[in-house]
Amino acid sequence: GAGVSQSPSNKVTEKGKDVELRCDPISGHTALYWYRQSLGQGLEFLIYFQGNSAPDKSGLPSDRFSAERTGGSVSTLTIQRTQQEDSAVYLCASSLPVYSGNTIYFGEGSWLTVV
Amino acid sequence: GESVGLHLPTLSVQEGDNSIINCAYSNSASDYFIWYKQESGKGPQFIIDIRSNMDKRQGQRVTVLLNKTVKHLSLQIAATQPGDSAVYFCAENIGNQGGKLIFGQGTELSVKP
Repeated sequence: GAGVSQSPSNKVTEKGKDVELRCDPISGHTALYWYRQSLGQGLEFLIYFQGNSAPDKSGLPSDRFSAERTGGSVSTLTIQRTQQEDSAVYLCASSLPVYSGNTIYFGEGSWLTVV
Repeated sequence: GESVGLHLPTLSVQEGDNSIINCAYSNSASDYFIWYKQESGKGPQFIIDIRSNMDKRQGQRVTVLLNKTVKHLSLQIAATQPGDSAVYFCAENIGNQGGKLIFGQGTELSVKP
């Protein structure tokens, strides 16, 4: 596609339920990133993929958070047993192969509200 | 993970004036820097980038300046327009940490017509 595509754009879920957020990167982009942005704050790194492997998972807040990428394209971020503090915008981004200097392009985000 | 403060700095300018948004970065090993613009309800939009072997780079109406001595980055917007109103984030890439970007706090730019 022309840009990074994320779905759903908005999700309201009950506390304790699991959610899956999907990201479809720009065609040809082998690197894929997940960030989280709480209301009025900056972006917090979660994880990035180079191909299907995740060299850096250091930003995942807890073991309730996981992400996978198969086929070197679409990625899914899963949050298990959601908590109210998980409410945020989850932003996906992609770029050409990871090295310092490749422009990283963001999607519009998935807005998650846990009630 | 990295976090930011709760209150965004705000810069208010008159339409047509030049804007300067500043950012202090944290790691002397950072070798690539990017400015993003984020409008309400949207994802960050790439504006301009600069590598650590440069101290200035110009784009269309925007200029980024890098001072590695004091770890400072600035974004200059010429002839600011109402459409420039947004939150602006600087981001740094630390050379030995792959593609991970560390984002700054963000500055809210408000342009008065």
